[in-house]
Amino acid sequence: EVQLLESGGGLVQPGGSLRLSCAASGFTFSTYAMNWVRQAPGKGLEWVSGISASGVTPFYADAVKGRFTISRDNYNDTVVLQMEALRGDDTAVYYCVRYTGFPSRFDAWGQGTLVTVSS
Amino acid sequence: AIQMTQSPSSLSASVGDRVTITCRASQDIRNDLGWYQQKPGKAPKLLIYAASSVQDGVPSRFSGSGSGTEFTLTISSLQPEDSATYYCLQDYFRPYTFGQGAKLEIK
Repeated sequence: EVQLLESGGGLVQPGGSLRLSCAASGFTFSTYAMNWVRQAPGKGLEWVSGISASGVTPFYADAVKGRFTISRDNYNDTVVLQMEALRGDDTAVYYCVRYTGFPSRFDAWGQGTLVTVSS
Repeated sequence: AIQMTQSPSSLSASVGDRVTITCRASQDIRNDLGWYQQKPGKAPKLLIYAASSVQDGVPSRFSGSGSGTEFTLTISSLQPEDSATYYCLQDYFRPYTFGQGAKLEIK
């Protein structure tokens, strides 16, 4: 069974940092691109960042470029989102999502971890 | 960025009704369009990918169609458990973008 388990969410002050982790199991992690999608309270879904299967190529939404860094460890089957200079509008549930290509789809989602940016 | 516009934003229908939700892309995205169902407090779930392919395990009452800029999600016979918010997502070009969502309620 495919499982994605996020951790690391919590309350952080504006300008602070937080590190989200996603532990994957049930599939060959190193052959899939991975993504982070977030959802602010009561709002819609927003793609945040993605990383290729090899980990060589990261991608970011403009809203987080320069502040967030995505990385992965294909030996330990984890993907990490390092978040810096956090702002109030980063408050959201962050989902770890597997991307399957050809044809493309976001076919497995974690349960999400809540990040709250507030003083 | 490619903008995705869903309509309607909310709708109410009765059990057994046929329901259609539309998603329009601001530019041609071929058939790189997925539909996701989200229930309160839960993660989204993939229903349809590549515009018309049904994900394994999804009931056959769900179907998708379209290509280019116009896409449709259809529920052929609405069931009580279909009460949810539905999102389209274009994965043709980064940044990937979602529609704003369509909240479906059961009368």
